[in-house]
Amino acid sequence: KNQVEQSPQSLIILEGKNCTLQCNYTVSPFSNLRWYKQDTGRGPVSLTIMTFSENTKSNGRYTATLDADTKQSSLHITASQLSDSASYICVVSAPNAGGTSYGKLTFGQGTILTVHP
Amino acid sequence: DTEVTQTPKHLVMGMTNKKSLKCEQHMGHRAMYWYKQKAKKPPELMFVYSYEKLSINESVPSRFSPECPNSSLLNLHLHALQPEDSALYLCASSQRTGEKNYGYTFGSGTRLTVV
Repeated sequence: KNQVEQSPQSLIILEGKNCTLQCNYTVSPFSNLRWYKQDTGRGPVSLTIMTFSENTKSNGRYTATLDADTKQSSLHITASQLSDSASYICVVSAPNAGGTSYGKLTFGQGTILTVHP
Repeated sequence: DTEVTQTPKHLVMGMTNKKSLKCEQHMGHRAMYWYKQKAKKPPELMFVYSYEKLSINESVPSRFSPECPNSSLLNLHLHALQPEDSALYLCASSQRTGEKNYGYTFGSGTRLTVV
C-alpha cells in the first residue's frame, strides 16, 4: 500500500530558529515528491518538487532533500518567520497510469509548524 | 497566469439548497481535479477530468455533480447536501507531461458550511 509518513506531527519553534521536517514514503513506482505549505482554510501552495534524479531543491529559505534509495525526504526551514506557521504536506506522485493525463498523488498527514515570537 | 481561481471563497447553504462551486485556470492544463479536505486531514480526491472528460469518480455521492464546460473551467454542483459535507473544497489542475506530472497547482479553496 502506498503511504507517506511525516514527522513530527507538530512542532513549535521560536522565530529566527531553523527546523527540519521529515517525510518517509513507500510509493512505488515513484515519479516525484512535492512539499506544500498550507495555511489554515487555504489551498496548498507548492514549495518544491523533486524527481528521482534530484537530491536537493531550494526555494528561498526552504530547502528540500530527497534520498530515493531510502525513500526519505526532508524540508529544512532556515531563519523561521511568524508567517511560516502553517501545515507542511509531503506529497508523492506515482507515474501516470492507464494512459490518463494525471499522476496519482499520495498525501502525508502534514506537520503543523507554529513559530512563536 | 499561474493560478487556479476558485469562487466563492465561502459558502453557507441549507440542506435543500442547490449551489455551484466554480474553478478556473488559464495555464493550459488539461487535467483538473476536485478534492475535499476536512480539518487537520489531507485532501481527498473526488473527481478527475482529463481533456474535459470525467476520468475518475472516487465513489462520490450523487449529491455532488461535477461539470467541465471547457478546458479552463470546472464546476461542482451541489444539491441536498448533509452537514457532514461541510469542508474545504479544493480545485487543482496539472499538465499532461507523461510520467512527470509537474505543475500540479491548487486553488485557494471554497469553505463550505451546510446547515
